[in-house]
Amino acid sequence: GESVGLHLPTLSVQEGDNSIINCAYSNSASDYFIWYKQESGKGPQFIIDIRSNMDKRQGQRVTVLLNKTVKHLSLQIAATQPGDSAVYFCAENTGGFKTIFGAGTRLFVKA
Amino acid sequence: DGGITQSPKYLFRKEGQNVTLSCEQNLNHDAMYWYRQDPGQGLRLIYYSQIVNDFQKGDIAEGYSVSREKKESFPLTVTSAQKNPTAFYLCASSSGRAVGEQFFGPGTRLTVL
Repeated sequence: GESVGLHLPTLSVQEGDNSIINCAYSNSASDYFIWYKQESGKGPQFIIDIRSNMDKRQGQRVTVLLNKTVKHLSLQIAATQPGDSAVYFCAENTGGFKTIFGAGTRLFVKA
Repeated sequence: DGGITQSPKYLFRKEGQNVTLSCEQNLNHDAMYWYRQDPGQGLRLIYYSQIVNDFQKGDIAEGYSVSREKKESFPLTVTSAQKNPTAFYLCASSSGRAVGEQFFGPGTRLTVL
């Protein structure tokens, strides 16, 4: 079936550096993508989203890039802080009520 | 404050017992969802409801049941038919537009003893 996956299960970065979390998706019909952040023992929180008619979208310290040619999504976090340590999920939606979530990448920020 | 609440945060159950997980939202959202999360895995959809008195099976509905009698509430029952119920359960809601952000509750960790 269609799935969303991540290249790296764990990413460790130095505080102040930029982080890049990658995600591959397989459903070419997906037209809406979301990044969520999940801290330990809590529910996921929305970070940023992007629609398929866009290649890039920026938020506060975060940027999402979408490459539809290779079905790749990335989340860039600028000046990573200890509070950014969490599991990050990408998710895709094809227009219905079902959203498909990836397995997640754990981000560790070293002080 | 608007949001989604789930209770209890931790739940222990003996094998063979049914258990109901609570989910309440005051965001005035039409759509609500239940997900299961296992270690090292993404969220898997159990059931979702687009509107009151209507719900649909997700990818892993076997052994679970839901009801949607009120807009604010979407309880999930884990039945004895669910073979491996120990997991972290997450409830979410969205405004009802098919495509959009979902708001998640804090989750309930269920452990079967």
